[in-house]
Amino acid sequence: GAVVSQHPSWVICKSGTSVKIECRSLDFQATTMFWYRQFPKQSLMLMATSNEGSKATYEQGVEKDKFLINHASLTLSTLTVTSAHPEDSSFYICSATRQGPYYEQYFGPGTRLTVT
Amino acid sequence: QQQVKQSPQSLIVQKGGISIINCAYENTAFDYFPWYQQFPGKGPALLIAIRPDVSEKKEGRFTISFNKSAKQFSLHIMDSQPGDSATYFCAATTTGGGNKLTFGTGTQLKVEL
Repeated sequence: GAVVSQHPSWVICKSGTSVKIECRSLDFQATTMFWYRQFPKQSLMLMATSNEGSKATYEQGVEKDKFLINHASLTLSTLTVTSAHPEDSSFYICSATRQGPYYEQYFGPGTRLTVT
Repeated sequence: QQQVKQSPQSLIVQKGGISIINCAYENTAFDYFPWYQQFPGKGPALLIAIRPDVSEKKEGRFTISFNKSAKQFSLHIMDSQPGDSATYFCAATTTGGGNKLTFGTGTQLKVEL
């Protein structure tokens, strides 16, 4: 149990276009979903916290108009990178929190975004 | 105060040896300490976690030791195998405070034959 999927696993897009990444919790309902960004050989950087039916909470320094997050249901959250530029190229990872005594956080497999 | 300091940055261990990764935190409100294992190009996988009301938790070859007074916790991998070669992240969170994880900087483990 506790499987989180992401789609697509990798995407290449041209500068100026928008890209949508989906995050789904497959076998549990997620009270909260998180979006992270990870640069090579670095730790995970939290971008935003997403709760179903409410606006996402963005971390300081993250442009909310550039990284649009929609949490449509207890099993689906999407991240849209708008007007992508090469500096947005990164590994984006979502996680979902399963309700329970410890609210364990389970991560998706990640999406590699390359902007050309 | 939100930082979690992790060491070493990299570690090479012989097959069958013990791998030890250490983490220290400042925020005494943290009450849940998970460890994640990440292979290249993959998302982190929850390995093992501990609450501060116990000093040790063991799952198979993986053991967390927790020292509440010192605000330190460590991961021990017994009988390390080449398949354990990965990056390990410690993390901490306050379960009543939105569950945002504060990650350590990661340890790149290589287990050699």
